[in-house]
Amino acid sequence: QLHLQESGPGLVKPSETLSLSCTVSGGAISSRSYYWAWIRQPPGKGLEWIGTMSYSGSTDYNPSVKSRVTISLDTSKNQFSLRLNSVTAADTAVYYCARRGDHGRAYDYWGQGILVTVSS
Amino acid sequence: DIQMTQSPSSVSASVGDRVTITCRASQGISTWLAWYQQKPGNAPKLLIFAASSLQSGVPSRFSGSGSGTDFTLTISSLHPEDFATYYCQQTNSFPRSFGQGTKLEIK
Repeated sequence: QLHLQESGPGLVKPSETLSLSCTVSGGAISSRSYYWAWIRQPPGKGLEWIGTMSYSGSTDYNPSVKSRVTISLDTSKNQFSLRLNSVTAADTAVYYCARRGDHGRAYDYWGQGILVTVSS
Repeated sequence: DIQMTQSPSSVSASVGDRVTITCRASQGISTWLAWYQQKPGNAPKLLIFAASSLQSGVPSRFSGSGSGTDFTLTISSLHPEDFATYYCQQTNSFPRSFGQGTKLEIK
């Protein structure tokens, strides 16, 4: 059974960089079939797709954050990461990592989510 | 970018009721649509992919239909554990986008 777990600071200061990792267990992150994604949800609001990375390293990002975001894979640790620069209070959200599975390009496995608050 | 619009934003229903939620895409997405269920404090859970295919382990009372721009999620007979928020997501093109959510509440 695949398991995803987000980790990182729960509090980030405005203008600084938000850095999160997602550790994948129960399967290899380097598998050719899968893509890995970050999705966020501001408190009390809906879901926002941030971006995705394939096993080969290709990325796609939401234009709303494209100038500030980087997603990367570390196959040696079976992890993928999110970096979001120059954060503001609007970046306060629960951040989820997820896997795009084999069917319909849908996200079939999700981490439990981590709340990141941007505040001084 | 493709905009996804769900209706209604909230619905009240009783155990045993049949409920239908609709999702409309701002442009055609063939059948590249997924439905998720989210309960408070939990991550979303995949219910339906490719508009009408049931994810493994999801009860058969959930069904999806549609293609192009108009889609529906139907719960044939509500169980107590079905009261949650439901999101559609287009998986046709980047950036991926979600509907705003439909909150299903107990009447």
